[in-house]
Amino acid sequence: QSALTQPASVSGSPGQSITISCTGTRNDIGGYYYVSWYQQHPGKAPKLMIYDVRNRPSGVSHRFSGSKSGTTASLTISGLQAEDEADYYCSSYTSGSTLDFGTGTKVTVL
Amino acid sequence: EVQLVESGGGLVQPGGSLRLSCAASGFTFSSYVMNWVRQAPGKGLEWVSGISGSGDITHYAESVKGRFTISRDNSKNTLYVQMNSLRAEDTAIYYCGKDLGLVGATGVDYWGQGTLVTVSS
Repeated sequence: QSALTQPASVSGSPGQSITISCTGTRNDIGGYYYVSWYQQHPGKAPKLMIYDVRNRPSGVSHRFSGSKSGTTASLTISGLQAEDEADYYCSSYTSGSTLDFGTGTKVTVL
Repeated sequence: EVQLVESGGGLVQPGGSLRLSCAASGFTFSSYVMNWVRQAPGKGLEWVSGISGSGDITHYAESVKGRFTISRDNSKNTLYVQMNSLRAEDTAIYYCGKDLGLVGATGVDYWGQGTLVTVSS
């Protein structure tokens, strides 16, 4: 069981689009469509933003979208806004019936 | 409205024990996998353990296997984790999380506010 790999930080200007990658193996991301993305603001609990690779929960902005190719999943934030500044984590179901989280990415809005 | 409320955190000495609880409401508790996820100070999220809706299937992270025991009481809509032989590296905010699915730890759609566990002498 090991953490999925994410870039430590990603930044963009308001209105721009950014993409966060999440790299795993064939035993997690590559083998299942149970990839989720979470947003966490300082001092707060995480919030689900994307589930099952590309589905948005009710109430989550359409500016957030997810995809997967092979063993890498991606989260794209379009039309970046100040309120999007937060930490983002991916997660994936694994062949060991566990849940792996990514290392986390700090998004900065310039 | 789904609500998850953790309790039981606190300061404990290395080698000690603690039991956390999570009271759930707003959904059919017995139908869903439930998880414990922790976050050490300034660090990322780490899945700790998951339990099936009926309570008969449990899974653990390698870092806690043999020391932590997850359980649930569906008559009380409550999730538990018994933590024994605690170490300094177990210091973290512990979150209770409702799983997206009915089978397996597929992701967390609702989170509690978390309870802080500090292991220190």
